[in-house]
Amino acid sequence: EDKVVQSPLSLVVHEGDTVTLNCSYEVTNFRSLLWYKQEKKAPTFLFMLTSSGIEKKSGRLSSILDKKELFSILNITATQTGDSAIYLCAPSNLRGGSNYKLTFGKGTLLTVNP
Amino acid sequence: GAVVSQHPSWVICKSGTSVKIECRSLDFQATTMFWYRQFPKQSLMLMATSNEGSKATYEQGVEKDKFLINHASLTLSTLTVTSAHPEDSSFYICSARQGAAHEQYFGPGTRLTVT
Repeated sequence: EDKVVQSPLSLVVHEGDTVTLNCSYEVTNFRSLLWYKQEKKAPTFLFMLTSSGIEKKSGRLSSILDKKELFSILNITATQTGDSAIYLCAPSNLRGGSNYKLTFGKGTLLTVNP
Repeated sequence: GAVVSQHPSWVICKSGTSVKIECRSLDFQATTMFWYRQFPKQSLMLMATSNEGSKATYEQGVEKDKFLINHASLTLSTLTVTSAHPEDSSFYICSARQGAAHEQYFGPGTRLTVT
């Protein structure tokens, strides 16, 4: 059975802090790992990682994948209150043909206090 | 780009009735659409995958006769919850992907409450 474990489950920080969110996974036929940010409604796409060791960066957010150790981290530097959200990690695996499935972790609830 | 809409955003219905939820990709053609359910403080659980013009593939434990999925065009998929029960109350979210891309883009979700 495919498994995704995110840690910590929740985190409270002050504005300006740097946070690291963790995601470990065990899926068959792994293809890529995606990070999403979920505020009040549906998740918004952040990153897709397919290769080990190559950092993806977008502003204050960055992420990296280790396919050997089966984990990924998401870093957020100089956090702002607008970063408060649930961060979801989802490995993508191939299920025959071109059918990919995302398996979501439970997420990390990040709260950034002013 | 990559905008997905859902309608309605919330719906309340009585037990035993059916509810249809629409998912549209607004600025791209979605070869595959996915339907998820999310219970409070839980993660997204995939219910089914639908490819345009073919039958949906349901995840284990999801009743296909209860959750009818139609993906009639490259921009529209519908989920009909038939004979709804209070335990079907949940947040239903669709997503869409273009071609062979891995990224899925999510709609804003539909909050269903069955009384």
